[in-house]
Order: sequence, then structure tokens, then C-alpha cells
Amino acid sequence: DAGVTQSPTHLIKTRGQHVTLRCSPISGHKSVSWYQQVLGQGPQFIFQYYEKEERGRGNFPDRFSARQFPNYSSELNVNALLLGDSALYLCASSWGGRHTEAFFGQGTRLTVV
Amino acid sequence: SQQGEEDPQALSIQEGENATMNCSYKTSINNLQWYRQNSGRGLVHLILIRSNEREKHSGRLRVTLDTSKKSSSLLITASRAADTASYFCATADNFNKFYFGSGTKLNVKP
Repeated sequence: DAGVTQSPTHLIKTRGQHVTLRCSPISGHKSVSWYQQVLGQGPQFIFQYYEKEERGRGNFPDRFSARQFPNYSSELNVNALLLGDSALYLCASSWGGRHTEAFFGQGTRLTVV
Repeated sequence: SQQGEEDPQALSIQEGENATMNCSYKTSINNLQWYRQNSGRGLVHLILIRSNEREKHSGRLRVTLDTSKKSSSLLITASRAADTASYFCATADNFNKFYFGSGTKLNVKP
């Protein structure tokens, strides 16, 4: 079975540009969450989607947006990139109910220069 | 904040020894999950413990949860060099949104 897949694995962008990160959840999983992990810190919650609806948003500016498609894959979009957006972006997949494990992809390493 | 915080920040032991990491959190939780991360790669799920459970085992892993003290511990027995990684606890709310601490860096020396 395929795990959570994220693309691309690495990305270099210039300040002010826009970026789109993609995530395909484990087959059958209906919930996708996005996390940002800055070097040396733990992951910080950005968004959660369940059945194509936003279920939660973390403390991130409006430059960050996301959506979930009918096949449950998801995109994270970041506009007007700042140097501080450089981080590992992780996608987590789960069934969506309580007490269910969340499985993470390998992440997208975004570097903003 | 609901964020979990791990202690110690770093731990260095010899192969074969046991490693214990602790996690504290501030608010009520639905469940608590432990993850491992190797060198800035993705997180690997280790174990989930529900708020009404006190202890769980999985192979060489033993997790305890004390909701009265808002704390959890992860014990890795008979550690191996391959256990070298960062370990995170994540507290989950009712919608399975996770709140992570800064992690414990474990170094197992061969």
C-alpha cells in the first residue's frame, strides 16, 4: 500500500513568489492536515481538511491557503513568500475520526531565497 | 496552549541501554501519540495512547499516560544505533489536530 505522498520533495523559491505543495493521502483516508516544521522545532499545525471541508486552521497568515479535492488529495498554497517561510512542510493523513493514527509523508523542503 | 513539551531536549546513551523521554501538556486531550523523525525527514508513527488508557506496549516501546499530571513517558528498551532520531509527542484534540513539542534528540552510541 502506498503511504502518504508529497510533491515536490525539494523546492527553492524567491521572496514574493507563490508556491503550491501537493499531498496524496493513504487510500481510504478522508482527512488531510498540513504542518510547518522550522529547523530545530516541532511541527506547527496549519490546516486540517475532512471530507473536502476545512475543519481547522492554525495561527498562520492569510497568505497560507489550502483545499481538498474530491479524491481527498490536497494542496497547500503560500503567496508572497517570505524568508521565514523556509521550512519542511508535512502532510498528515488519517481516517478523520477520534483515536485514529495520523500518518505523515516525507515532507516538502521549501527554501526561500 | 495545548502544546506538548518533551524532556530532556537531548539524550545520549550506549547501545543496549534504556532510553526514557517525557512529555508534558497543558490542557485536556483526546489522545496522545509519539512519533520518530530521522534527520529532518517525515514523521514515523510509533504509538497512540487514548486519554482513558494508562499504559501501552509495542515491541521495545512502552508508553505511559498520567492525565492527572498531564504527562506521558516513552521508554525504549535495549536501544540500538538505529534508534538515533528525534522523538516527538503530539497531543490530539477531538478533531485529531496535533500539537507538538520541540522533541527529544536521542543519540545511541554503538
